[in-house]
Amino acid sequence: GAGVSQSPSNKVTEKGKDVELRCDPISGHTALYWYRQSLGQGLEFLIYFQGNSAPDKSGLPSDRFSAERTGGSVSTLTIQRTQQEDSAVYLCASSDLYGGSGANVLTFGAGSRLTVL
Amino acid sequence: DQQVKQNSPSLSVQEGRISILNCDYTNSMFDYFLWYKKYPAEGPTFLISISSIKDKNEDGRFTVFLNKSAKHLSLHIVPSQPGDSAVYFCAAYFGNEKLTFGTGTRLTIIP
Repeated sequence: GAGVSQSPSNKVTEKGKDVELRCDPISGHTALYWYRQSLGQGLEFLIYFQGNSAPDKSGLPSDRFSAERTGGSVSTLTIQRTQQEDSAVYLCASSDLYGGSGANVLTFGAGSRLTVL
Repeated sequence: DQQVKQNSPSLSVQEGRISILNCDYTNSMFDYFLWYKKYPAEGPTFLISISSIKDKNEDGRFTVFLNKSAKHLSLHIVPSQPGDSAVYFCAAYFGNEKLTFGTGTRLTIIP
């Protein structure tokens, strides 16, 4: 598609359940990023993929969080045993890494709003 | 540690006047700075960028100024329009590293 697509747009779950959030990046973009924005906070980096590998996972808050990317395209962020503090908007972005403009411009999806009750 | 800081959580500006959004950073290694704009329930959208070797970049109503000695950048919007009401994020990166964002400034344009 023309933009970054994320699903679901909204997810309400009970504490302790697992959730999966999906990101479909712009076709041809080699880099894919996950960020999250908690209420009243800025954008917090979670993980970055170059192709299918993740050179930087430093932002994952705990081992309950994991992500994978397959075929250099779709990525899934999985949160196991969700906690209330996991409630946030999870944003995915992709980029073609300096595709001519000089700057690495990330294009974001609309996000997946996760609410943990 | 907050490497990119936006110390003003909110700003109100009269329509037609200049809006100035500020951003400070601590990492002198940053080589690119970007501004993003975010409407509610949407992802951030890219506005304008500046390389660390420049001190000014202009794109229509938007101009970004970089003062490396002060580790400070600012975004000027002139003239401000109602559609500019949004949250603005400053971001920076170096090399192949991730984009580090500030906490955002909510800009409200008063008609």
